[in-house]
Amino acid sequence: DAKTTQPNSMESNEEEPVHLPCNHSTISGTDYIHWYRQLPSQGPEYVIHGLTSNVNNRMASLAIAEDRKSSTLILHRATLRDAAVYYCITGSSNTGKLIFGQGTTLQVKP
Amino acid sequence: GAVVSQHPSRVICKSGTSVKIECRSLDFQATTMFWYRQFPKQSLMLMATSNEGSKATYEQGVEKDKFLINHASLTLSTLTVTSAHPEDSSFYICSASQDRGKATDTQYFGPGTRLTVL
Repeated sequence: DAKTTQPNSMESNEEEPVHLPCNHSTISGTDYIHWYRQLPSQGPEYVIHGLTSNVNNRMASLAIAEDRKSSTLILHRATLRDAAVYYCITGSSNTGKLIFGQGTTLQVKP
Repeated sequence: GAVVSQHPSRVICKSGTSVKIECRSLDFQATTMFWYRQFPKQSLMLMATSNEGSKATYEQGVEKDKFLINHASLTLSTLTVTSAHPEDSSFYICSASQDRGKATDTQYFGPGTRLTVL
């Protein structure tokens, strides 16, 4: 499974956009890029996933670099409820396993 | 959206006893379920993968005789921590997916079970 690198923490102001970066330079051609987030004392929550093209859903957008070695999760307008640990994971195309890294702790200031 | 429940949400037990944690997919059939554990201030660590009707596949370093996993139906998987000790105290989280190990699988996570072994 490809290893991902994320900043340990980031801060944002409420109602401003947030760009959470992730590097995955060893990703294989068939590995999807998944983003999950976890609030304190809860199980992770699915955010978005993609393979090559940029993806949008009601929660966020995912921008994937052309060489697929990095991606960025975009929260268009951060709210206090978006404060969480965000995990970028490159999933195994054979097993569906998700190997979690340390993630980015996002703090949202009012 | 797909909902996964866990029971109990928290459990306290004495050292040497066994504890069973249930993971249920409430509104979909889960071909594959995963079990993780998470220590304070740390990330999730995958323990094992279970497919309905077959034996679980354990990650390296996870004792299969200590952490018994049963995935007897498409909506229920159980994790039994046998002869629990204080070092087994952790947050145990399950997840479920509808497809059998595909790269596009979305995993739906349960709310977690906090185990404290005295």
